[in-house]
Amino acid sequence: NAGVTQTPKFQVLKTGQSMTLQCAQDMNHEYMSWYRQDPGMGLRLIHYSVGAGITDQGEVPNGYNVSRSTTEDFPLRLLSAAPSQTSVYFCASSMRALSTDTQYFGPGTRLTVL
Amino acid sequence: ELKVEQNPLFLSMQEGKNYTIYCNYSTTSDRLYWYRQDPGKSLESLFVLLSNGAVKQEGRLMASLDTKARLSTLHITAAVHDLSATYFCAVAVSGTYKYIFGTGTRLKVLA
Repeated sequence: NAGVTQTPKFQVLKTGQSMTLQCAQDMNHEYMSWYRQDPGMGLRLIHYSVGAGITDQGEVPNGYNVSRSTTEDFPLRLLSAAPSQTSVYFCASSMRALSTDTQYFGPGTRLTVL
Repeated sequence: ELKVEQNPLFLSMQEGKNYTIYCNYSTTSDRLYWYRQDPGKSLESLFVLLSNGAVKQEGRLMASLDTKARLSTLHITAAVHDLSATYFCAVAVSGTYKYIFGTGTRLKVLA
């Protein structure tokens, strides 16, 4: 099992550009989520999904879109990048929504918006 | 407002010493998690605590949960340099699919 994979590892964007951060898991996990990590602020939930076709907003959803067409993939789209979106983005998954399972995290994508 | 507060935020300790990291949360929760993050790396799961009074131990780390006080502790016994990392607690908000993370405790163990 590859676990949770994310691409790209690093990305630099200009203000106003759009892009998609990719996340995939091969563990047949039902629950997937996106977080951003900023210095001194821990991780903040952006969006999550409890299954294919079902997504919802987390703490900080503005400026981001998600979709989940398959169990395996959960891409995060930045619609019009802003410097405030400079951050490290982590994707995570767990076996079932509302389960007691821990979340497994991907390696992260470091995004810089100029 | 839902809050998860960790203290201390930074901890520098000598090898061989004991210390405790505290995680206080403001919402009702039936699941609490501890993670470790090494610099520039992803998060690694340490413990899952599911009920009041739960205690789990792995090596020099022991975590406990008091749901009535909304408090979890991560106790470090006889610290070694390899434990240097940032430790996060995270709370699953009851009745939702959301998780709230603490700000993290950056631990440095000095030889």
